[in-house]
Amino acid sequence: NAGVMQNPRHLVRRRGQEARLRCSPMKGHSHVYWYRQLPEEGLKFMVYLQKENIIDESGMPKERFSAEFPKEGPSILRIQQVVRGDSAAYFCASSQAPGQGNSPLHFGNGTRLTVT
Amino acid sequence: QKEVEQDPGPLSVPEGAIVSLNCTYSNSAFQYFMWYRQYSRKGPELLMYTYSSGNKEDGRFTAQVDKSSKYISLFIRDSQPSDSATYLCAMAVNKFYFGSGTKLNVKP
Repeated sequence: NAGVMQNPRHLVRRRGQEARLRCSPMKGHSHVYWYRQLPEEGLKFMVYLQKENIIDESGMPKERFSAEFPKEGPSILRIQQVVRGDSAAYFCASSQAPGQGNSPLHFGNGTRLTVT
Repeated sequence: QKEVEQDPGPLSVPEGAIVSLNCTYSNSAFQYFMWYRQYSRKGPELLMYTYSSGNKEDGRFTAQVDKSSKYISLFIRDSQPSDSATYLCAMAVNKFYFGSGTKLNVKP
């Protein structure tokens, strides 16, 4: 009974490199959300995707960040030319039903990105 | 004004105490209400999911929604040291909104 799977769990990148974070939703879920969390802070919404579609990217920085959820394979959050301020925990969540709220979010254990 | 307000704590209680965690919100359109528990260096884990007003009980946990007051609560009975974590409330109508979390410490 696999839950939301995220990898890698820890990722270290030097400034200027690219970071790729992967998320496989729970079985039967076709809606994926990405959140960012800084230490001792709450969850900040980044993007909501369905298969092959970005539904809401209002929380994504305009530059360097992109997300996709292809027809086959995991969802990918990509950060280009990372800077120290990108260091955070990135959580992926998935839900079963369309619309937001009528199916709760289930979270993975996150990817902790450290930019040196 | 934030959509969802949650006291960050920390809240420290002795083992066996009844814990009350609360959130207030401003959007009367919210229909779905959730509580998550997050241990250090882990992802949030869904504890309770309710629709509209009323109470829902699951073991030692009771979730309460008062839509007239725009107030939700999570009660933990017979609290255990293993309940020490950060508790996040969340609510949704067309989008999910999260509180900033309350840190709970249950002392043995």
